[in-house]
Amino acid sequence: GAVVSQHPSWVICKSGTSVKIECRSLDFQATTMFWYRQFPKQSLMLMATSNEGSKATYEQGVEKDKFLINHASLTLSTLTVTSAHPEDSSFYICSARRGSLHFGNGTRLTVT
Amino acid sequence: AQSVTQLDSQVPVFEEAPVELRCNYSSSVSVYLFWYVQYPNQGLQLLLKYLSGSTLVKGINGFEAEFNKSQTSFHLRKPSVHISDTAEYFCAVISNSGNTPLVFGKGTRLSVIA
Repeated sequence: GAVVSQHPSWVICKSGTSVKIECRSLDFQATTMFWYRQFPKQSLMLMATSNEGSKATYEQGVEKDKFLINHASLTLSTLTVTSAHPEDSSFYICSARRGSLHFGNGTRLTVT
Repeated sequence: AQSVTQLDSQVPVFEEAPVELRCNYSSSVSVYLFWYVQYPNQGLQLLLKYLSGSTLVKGINGFEAEFNKSQTSFHLRKPSVHISDTAEYFCAVISNSGNTPLVFGKGTRLSVIA
């Protein structure tokens, strides 16, 4: 079946640094990928829709200059958290649609 | 646009008792419906999904859900729960056409008590 791979699964970084998270569709091409964020004890909220070859579409309240999304190929989307701060600590998860929706295993980001 | 309401934020239940986690949705178009489980510090695991056909859907770990179009509901049930079922459960909906994202409910924390 379709598989979405996300890397890294967890990362700890210092405040002010940038972190890149990769999302790959392993056995299918995904023209669109979705990035979600989940704060502790909360639901998953859509951050942005990543479109291959064009700019991402961000949800209201999500800073596009802080959360840089690049969808350079049909199998890879990256989310870069720039100048990370402790309040950016969260669980980030990507997904891609092939018929149904398939999720990566998520990335737990801790900013110290 | 779609929306999902999970009516209970927390559900405590004794081991081997039955459980129902409620989910209602709203949509102006036809949808697919999903239930996911999330164990602590882990990603999402698909329990079951309704795409079309029979309204009673059976999933993994003994869970099942019934799609009720008239009541716009997709409640999750298990006849006898185990301690290992303790987790967060999310109901989600997606339009059945187009490249649209999944919309999640706020989640229900199932706590199974020995």
